[in-house]
Amino acid sequence: EVQLLESGGGLVQPGGSLRLSCAASGFTYSSHAMSWVRQAPGKGLEWVSAISGSADSTQYADSVKGRFNISRDNSRDTLFLQMNSLRAEDTAIYYCAREWGYSYSFDYWGQGILVTVSS
Amino acid sequence: QSALTQPASVSGSPGQSITISCTGSSSNVGSYNLVSWYQQYPGKAPKLMIHEVSKRPSGVSNRFSGSKSGNTASLTISGLQAEDEADYYCCSYGGFRRVFGGGTRLTVL
Repeated sequence: EVQLLESGGGLVQPGGSLRLSCAASGFTYSSHAMSWVRQAPGKGLEWVSAISGSADSTQYADSVKGRFNISRDNSRDTLFLQMNSLRAEDTAIYYCAREWGYSYSFDYWGQGILVTVSS
Repeated sequence: QSALTQPASVSGSPGQSITISCTGSSSNVGSYNLVSWYQQYPGKAPKLMIHEVSKRPSGVSNRFSGSKSGNTASLTISGLQAEDEADYYCCSYGGFRRVFGGGTRLTVL
């Protein structure tokens, strides 16, 4: 059974940093690109970042480029999102999601982790 | 503002059919057959319903279908059921990025 479990969320002050993790199991992790998708309270979904299975390619939404860094450890089947210079508008539930083949669709999602940026 | 435009809400009665539109541009929907649709219940993670414009993952009801014409993709739900009441999001590949629509709240009357 495919499982994705996020951790590392919480309350952080504006300008601060936070590192999210997503532990994957139940599939060949290195064979799949992975993404982070966020959802601000009461708002829609926003794609944040993606990384290829081999970690040789990364992509970012304009809203986080230069502040967030996506990475993965294929030896530990874990995805990371390093978030720096956090702003109030980064407050959201952050989901990690598995990308399905070359379809650029997300076939499995974690349960989500809340990040709150507030003083 | 969302890169893809969806109606904020649609509604229908049980047994009817509804269609949700998703309008993008030649940079995303119009250039790639890589549109997907997601169903989300309150407080839950999204669920993939359609990928690559019109393909249904295993386990998704055949009442859900997708299509595309030009820069607009559509999700059609036939034989509406109470359990279909949820938020629906489209998503498209846009060249080194993925973009979501703003979401559509489906109400089953």
